[in-house]
Amino acid sequence: QLVLTQSPSASASLGASVKLTCTLSSGHSDYAIAWHVQQPEKGPRYLMKVNSDGSHTKGDGVPDRFSGSSSGAERYLTISSLQSDDEADYYCQTWGTVMVFGGGTRLTVL
Amino acid sequence: QVQLVESGGGVVQPGRSLRLSCAASGFTFTNYALHWVRLAPGKGLEWLAGVSYDGSEKFYADSVRGRFIISRDNSKNTVYLQISGLRTEDTAVYYCARKEFNWGPMSGAFDLWGQGTVVTVSS
Repeated sequence: QLVLTQSPSASASLGASVKLTCTLSSGHSDYAIAWHVQQPEKGPRYLMKVNSDGSHTKGDGVPDRFSGSSSGAERYLTISSLQSDDEADYYCQTWGTVMVFGGGTRLTVL
Repeated sequence: QVQLVESGGGVVQPGRSLRLSCAASGFTFTNYALHWVRLAPGKGLEWLAGVSYDGSEKFYADSVRGRFIISRDNSKNTVYLQISGLRTEDTAVYYCARKEFNWGPMSGAFDLWGQGTVVTVSS
């Protein structure tokens, strides 16, 4: 079964960097995923797609502070130079016979 | 302006039906598959249903199959979600999302989202 696993929460200081992780279930380590961000009271926003080889394609207007990478079954979203409005929920998404979301990671900027 | 705008939400009694709409603008609607996703209070994003660019293929999450119907009208650049037998657990913000322009209707990232419409199921 295709499942994405995310840590429920993460935190980092203003101006620092943070790396969020999305883990694909066993047997699916070659799948690409997408990262989305949802700020409070707003609709989700597409950030990027991350492939199994670590290459990534960002959405329009996504700042250079956001980057993606991969290692095995893990897909990462790294945010550098954290700003206060990066505080949000981050979801990974993948696809197969159904569309699948991870449970989301709530990022707190300290 | 490239956008998706949902409407049709509101407060509805359990057991009733509701039709949500999502109007698209700023892009070639017939090039894209469209999907519905919801965010319930205290939960994460949940994919509900998707429809191919021409409406010929429809896909549903097991949790909603039989109660939710997705459709589209390409002459109106609009996708719909018909929900029947509403339950309190259907209370959520409902979003439509565009699937990126490639491969099939169920393969790829959601690259554009609407702002959502709120559905509250309560007696």
